[in-house]
Amino acid sequence: QVQLVESGGGLVKPGGSLRLSCAASGFTFSDYYMSWIRQAPGKGLECVSYISLSGSTIYYADSVKGRFTISRDNAKNSLYLQMHSLRAEDTAVYYCARGEEWELLPQAVDFWGQGTLVTVSS
Amino acid sequence: EIVMTQSPATLSVSPGERATLSCRASQSVSSNLAWYQQKPGQAPRLLIYGAFTRATGIPARFSGSGSGTEFTLTISSLQSEDFAVYYCQQYNSWPFTFGPGTKVDIK
Repeated sequence: QVQLVESGGGLVKPGGSLRLSCAASGFTFSDYYMSWIRQAPGKGLECVSYISLSGSTIYYADSVKGRFTISRDNAKNSLYLQMHSLRAEDTAVYYCARGEEWELLPQAVDFWGQGTLVTVSS
Repeated sequence: EIVMTQSPATLSVSPGERATLSCRASQSVSSNLAWYQQKPGQAPRLLIYGAFTRATGIPARFSGSGSGTEFTLTISSLQSEDFAVYYCQQYNSWPFTFGPGTKVDIK
């Protein structure tokens, strides 16, 4: 069955760095775009970053641009998010999510991992 | 950035009743609109994509409609497992933005 398993979350001080990983299984990873979506405690959902099937197209939310880097390794069925200069407002559950592309256009996210909690606090 | 709004913020409904949730986009998103259900402590689950197409395994009591800037999710007869928070999301242009959610609770 389809699985997306995030890891790498934890407590980090403001200004610190963290690298999230997402291990995918049960589907052909290279057939899907991948995304990181976060949810602050008790709040709504925010798309943080997007990476296309081959990795040739990457997007970031303005709130993380210049601080976060998304990447994928299709040979290892893995997605990553390198986070630098972390701020208190980055505290959230970070979900790994996948979606299809139709004629190079991204479609709705159709599966989410269970998330990993990142807490930025001194 | 396309801003998504949802109404109402909370909807109190009795089991078996119909629930109608609204979502509005600040500019046209064509039919690139999805609905998700989220229960406490769980990841969101895709219900509807393309504004009206049910995702795999989603019961027929869930239906979506609309295009452009105005969208509706209807749950025809609420079951106990449907009490949750519902989010709409546009994926027409980056950043793919979500509405703030509608909480459907038991009346």
